[in-house]
Amino acid sequence: DAGITQSPRYKITETGRQVTLMCHQTWSHSYMFWYRQDLGHGLRLIYYSAAADITDKGEVPDGYVVSRSKTENFPLTLESATRSQTSVYFCASTNVRDRAYGYTFGSGTRLTVV
Amino acid sequence: GENVEQHPSTLSVQEGDSAVIKCTYSDSASNYFPWYKQELGKRPQLIIDIRSNVGEKKDQRIAVTLNKTAKHFSLHITETQPEDSAVYFCAADSGGYQKVTFGTGTKLQVIP
Repeated sequence: DAGITQSPRYKITETGRQVTLMCHQTWSHSYMFWYRQDLGHGLRLIYYSAAADITDKGEVPDGYVVSRSKTENFPLTLESATRSQTSVYFCASTNVRDRAYGYTFGSGTRLTVV
Repeated sequence: GENVEQHPSTLSVQEGDSAVIKCTYSDSASNYFPWYKQELGKRPQLIIDIRSNVGEKKDQRIAVTLNKTAKHFSLHITETQPEDSAVYFCAADSGGYQKVTFGTGTKLQVIP
């Protein structure tokens, strides 16, 4: 469904470049998350946010930066892209404090770093 | 932190047979266990979940069971159909920050 959208869907970038992946949700969900998906590793949490201006690191935050100035947007920036950051990135959101209602994921961004 | 192990990594079944995917978790504080289905090239989608105060939950051909003592939970799909072919992820969630941990996924193939 269109409630949470990611852009771009596909991105090729060069090593060392800065790249920003966008995530926008229309539900005013308080919680938002960034995951990366790699074969053999499942989904690993990069950063999360409980509300606007509140962000914190997940399992694999190195090399990434996030911001959340507005509730609906949660961009993820790779400050200096490396080949190891080639992955599929998923944004997700949920609105329940204890998150006991599951996540809704965006369609993903396939990032290739060459 | 939480550790979720998922087995098997791949599973092939004949159409109409049942499929079972198993997960174990380590953190006794985990109290919510969702399952996600991810079709090829698409986003993960929640298909069923269970909370720690319930031992079993069913939704048509899908069921999930939870054994808190043993710290394991399972997804059961009966009368499998080709459209069930996908990667399935389990997860364990204790409700606090950064407490959701996903399993590594099971690729289910239903052979017509």
